Amino acid sequence: KNEVEQSPQNLTAQEGEFITINCSYSVGISALHWLQQHPGGGIVSLFMLSSGKKKHGRLIATINIQEKHSSLHITASHPRDSAVYICAVSLIQGAQKLVFGQGTRLTINP
Amino acid sequence: EPEVTQTPSHQVTQMGQEVILRCVPISNHLYFYWYRQILGQKVEFLVSFYNNEISEKSEIFDDQFSVERPDGSNFTLKIRSTKLEDSAMYFCASRDGFNYGYTFGSGTRLTVV
Repeated sequence: KNEVEQSPQNLTAQEGEFITINCSYSVGISALHWLQQHPGGGIVSLFMLSSGKKKHGRLIATINIQEKHSSLHITASHPRDSAVYICAVSLIQGAQKLVFGQGTRLTINP
Repeated sequence: EPEVTQTPSHQVTQMGQEVILRCVPISNHLYFYWYRQILGQKVEFLVSFYNNEISEKSEIFDDQFSVERPDGSNFTLKIRSTKLEDSAMYFCASRDGFNYGYTFGSGTRLTVV
């Protein structure tokens, strides 16, 4: 069983739609990360959460520690939001390595 | 904003050859990592490095792999004898000692032929 599960794996939406990507995890974590990966392959950190909610522009990330679940929301989606969104968790023990979900490929059509 | 720099961006090598992937982490960061992503798969942890030694490594990180921080700024990943299955995107990442936030490099795409 994967330690980090994301859903959906693929998501296609029209410009302007509200987007939600979900992440569930089964291990003890010190933090949860939402990352963005563009077609060129580079990874950009969007959010790091250990509790509650964070907002940056049109992006909102929430985490429920008791339920081991996080969501990434995009409001007023735009074609430039098209990318792979990855959920990753920092494990409590050891070197705080990241364990990654498989990613959600988001396509926003104009 | 400080960046993690990786070179080269793309490397093609013949099977059996040695490759060295280079990274310059953010200068005041203390923890350094290598991850890899095989095409179409999720990102996997390879190794973490702290205080000039390996702090954790995965099963992937066998005797063919090694890491070094030779001069206090560069952080290198060496693959001694590349195999076809080493073809992947390799990411360097670093973080400071005060929070769990990561900064990733833009990656090196390694193609073994």
